[in-house]
Amino acid sequence: QQQVKQSPQSLIVQKGGISIINCAYENTAFDYFPWYQQFPGKGPALLIAIRPDVSEKKEGRFTISFNKSAKQFSLHIMDSQPGDSATYFCAARDRGKLIFGQGTELSVKP
Amino acid sequence: NAGVMQNPRHLVRRRGQEARLRCSPMKGHSHVYWYRQLPEEGLKFMVYLQKENIIDESGMPKERFSAEFPKEGPSILRIQQVVRGDSAAYFCASSPTAFEGYTFGSGTRLTVV
Repeated sequence: QQQVKQSPQSLIVQKGGISIINCAYENTAFDYFPWYQQFPGKGPALLIAIRPDVSEKKEGRFTISFNKSAKQFSLHIMDSQPGDSATYFCAARDRGKLIFGQGTELSVKP
Repeated sequence: NAGVMQNPRHLVRRRGQEARLRCSPMKGHSHVYWYRQLPEEGLKFMVYLQKENIIDESGMPKERFSAEFPKEGPSILRIQQVVRGDSAAYFCASSPTAFEGYTFGSGTRLTVV
């Protein structure tokens, strides 16, 4: 019940395309859903986050879509750029601690 | 405003030695979290601390691992009698409250030889 399942494991997108990463959860007590971006050798950096009372949040080229009834949320990266190539993690918070998905390695081809 | 500072960045220990990993949270952050990341894997929660208190240690191995966050000074993750399987990147994060997002440090990469 503490798991967050993330897919796909890896994703290749052409420059200018849309990257979509999906996550699903079971625990209805989760109250906060962030996405993190991690480059090799670096720590994860917060990209965008959403609370369960909101269905969508957009910041620049990054959008989170949240479906509370389906217990799913997704990250959309519009106009994907080679500089977006990184590993992306979804997460969900339960009583202060974040539970992370397994990660998606995104590669944006020029 | 400095971010979350972790040191050392790289640590090499022989099997059986002790490893001490330090984390100084961002200024004004009193909540600290430790995560472990194995190659090609996600971030696994280890422990959540507030000043002088362990809030949740459900992800900590029962033996050899301990963590503290004293009133003064950095948070310390201590691994006694290290084994090869402890080799990983250890990340610390901090937040001002339990209801806000985390900021991660750059991690300590532990290699056990």
